[in-house]
Amino acid sequence: AQSVTQLGSHVSVSEGALVLLRCNYSSSVPPYLFWYVQYPNQGLQLLLKYTSAATLVKGINGFEAEFKKSETSFHLTKPSAHMSDAAEYFCVSRVIGGTSYGKLTFGQGTILTVHP
Amino acid sequence: ETGVTQTPRHLVMGMTNKKSLKCEQHLGHNAMYWYKQSAKKPLELMFVYNFKEQTENNSVPSRFSPECPNSSHLFLHLHTLQPEDSALYLCASSLGNTPQPQHFGDGTRLSIL
Repeated sequence: AQSVTQLGSHVSVSEGALVLLRCNYSSSVPPYLFWYVQYPNQGLQLLLKYTSAATLVKGINGFEAEFKKSETSFHLTKPSAHMSDAAEYFCVSRVIGGTSYGKLTFGQGTILTVHP
Repeated sequence: ETGVTQTPRHLVMGMTNKKSLKCEQHLGHNAMYWYKQSAKKPLELMFVYNFKEQTENNSVPSRFSPECPNSSHLFLHLHTLQPEDSALYLCASSLGNTPQPQHFGDGTRLSIL
């Protein structure tokens, strides 16, 4: 069975500081991994995806994530936070095959607050 | 523009009303999904359709009735809802059993009086 754990339901950083949102996964087969962002009153927007090509994945808005199989982690980082990064972030895994039809497994979400 | 459009964006209804939520995608995807997002709770998958056929019903109460007339359209018919059904209902689509991500609409914020 798959699971995704996001460490920390709330993360607060100062504008210009490093953003680090932690995600660990558990899967019996190599998963495909995604980070989504959700702004208030909106749906989920894809930030970046890992589909077994490069382990360091670059996404939109300056975010990137590194897939580390040995640590079963897929942490999201951004060197310098901007006020517009304040949102909720979801780490998501997906296993292909069988009758799953690509069903997603969501982490609990991390709310990022950016202080001036 | 996400490619997945949901209407209405907001809906207020009484417990005895009947209403429908609509989702439309023009991304050429063959799978469509309904999710429920409640405050303080993880995203819950409700239904999955693949090539218009329902492939998953995640123990959803019968007061929620999905309909998928074709691969581009998905409906969620609502009848005799309860206050705990108030939530954000998100639709998503994807290319079925592939590594490609799901694309989400902006959701319908549903409030049950």
